[in-house]
Amino acid sequence: DSGVTQTPKHLITATGQRVTLRCSPRSGDLSVYWYQQSLDQGLQFLIQYYNGEERAKGNILERFSAQQFPDLHSELNLSSLELGDSALYFCASSVDYGSDEQYFGPGTRLTVT
Amino acid sequence: GENVEQHPSTLSVQEGDSAVIKCTYSDSASNYFPWYKQELGKRPQLIIDIRSNVGEKKDQRIAVTLNKTAKHFSLHITETQPEDSAVYFCAARRRGGSQGNLIFGKGTKLSVKP
Repeated sequence: DSGVTQTPKHLITATGQRVTLRCSPRSGDLSVYWYQQSLDQGLQFLIQYYNGEERAKGNILERFSAQQFPDLHSELNLSSLELGDSALYFCASSVDYGSDEQYFGPGTRLTVT
Repeated sequence: GENVEQHPSTLSVQEGDSAVIKCTYSDSASNYFPWYKQELGKRPQLIIDIRSNVGEKKDQRIAVTLNKTAKHFSLHITETQPEDSAVYFCAARRRGGSQGNLIFGKGTKLSVKP
């Protein structure tokens, strides 16, 4: 167990809908990263937050957004869902934005039907 | 930006044999290279990492080597066991910058046959 928690574990929803994925980092970690894992794209970096502020953006679609709250948990919001958004979404955390080691949560499996 | 290539995409070995997975990176400023193991349906787990100030690091049956000049690094697993079967991902990032995200290779599915 890495200490990073994610909810829910599974999510099934229809095209056009909106969902929110939640992540709590390890105790003491200030930086949170979101990654998307699909079969054909591997692990793709989406966005990074550090102590409540956005730090870096990767291949994140405009339909997706995220935020990190004062208690350091983070939420990833996915809207106008398409079939291609079906994937595993992982959250990872590290002590700060310059730390090397990132520890992953168990992931949320999103299925869009 | 950084690009990480990983080979092979699949690797099958007999129990007890060694397995080697290779990665190349494009950004010469990258200086942190972790390896993750992911079992089916589970989270990626950090198994070993190397920083650019060393050429080799070993932890029991696994080792990682880094060639900065050639911009490639490799994972070596010796005396493989069935429980080593998983997908292995290499990654790279630039330490010390304001952005800490990892750039991953596409993964190697390792199968260890008893």
